[in-house]
Amino acid sequence: AQSVTQPDIHITVSEGASLELRCNYSYGATPYLFWYVQSPGQGLQLLLKYFSGDTLVQGIKGFEAEFKRSQSSFNLRKPSVHWSDAAEYFCAAGQAGTALIFGKGTTLSVSS
Amino acid sequence: EAQVTQNPRYLITVTGKKLTVTCSQNMNHEYMSWYRQDPGLGLRQIYYSMNVEVTDKGDVPEGYKVSRKEKRNFPLILESPSPNQTSLYFCATFTSSDTQYFGPGTRLTVL
Repeated sequence: AQSVTQPDIHITVSEGASLELRCNYSYGATPYLFWYVQSPGQGLQLLLKYFSGDTLVQGIKGFEAEFKRSQSSFNLRKPSVHWSDAAEYFCAAGQAGTALIFGKGTTLSVSS
Repeated sequence: EAQVTQNPRYLITVTGKKLTVTCSQNMNHEYMSWYRQDPGLGLRQIYYSMNVEVTDKGDVPEGYKVSRKEKRNFPLILESPSPNQTSLYFCATFTSSDTQYFGPGTRLTVL
């Protein structure tokens, strides 16, 4: 069955430190891949997406993600975290004409 | 401005009282979907629609109905709500190679 796994439920990072959020997918063929962020009480905002081509994808707010086919991973990174980055992050995957499947989310806390 | 709107944004109701959550988009996208979000479970798809008059079940369709009579609207219907349907609901729309847009969410409480 198709699935998206975010192994880390909660991560705490110091402000200014680097961040990596993990995402693994299980699909028959390489799906489209997305990262969304949800701030408390807000809807989902798309950070970045991968459809094909360059495996390093740049997104908004200084985020990037790297697609690694051999590891079925699409990890999200940011070199220097800001307190405003504290939120819940969702990885999602899908294929043309099908529903997106979401991971269960990773909550990011930023300590000062 | 590209927009997905949901109404109402907040709703408290009682068990068994039929309700409808509306979703409307102004992007002419063919694909629309409903998700529910619960703590620790992430987003789970309820129903989706690939075009007018075409709807399919997602992962958690029990207790819900949808209709797609026109491209821009995709209402979610709870014929007889129960407390386990208390959740945060999102409508979304996208095309197969485009950005997915989410509505602002509807927080439903069923007493």
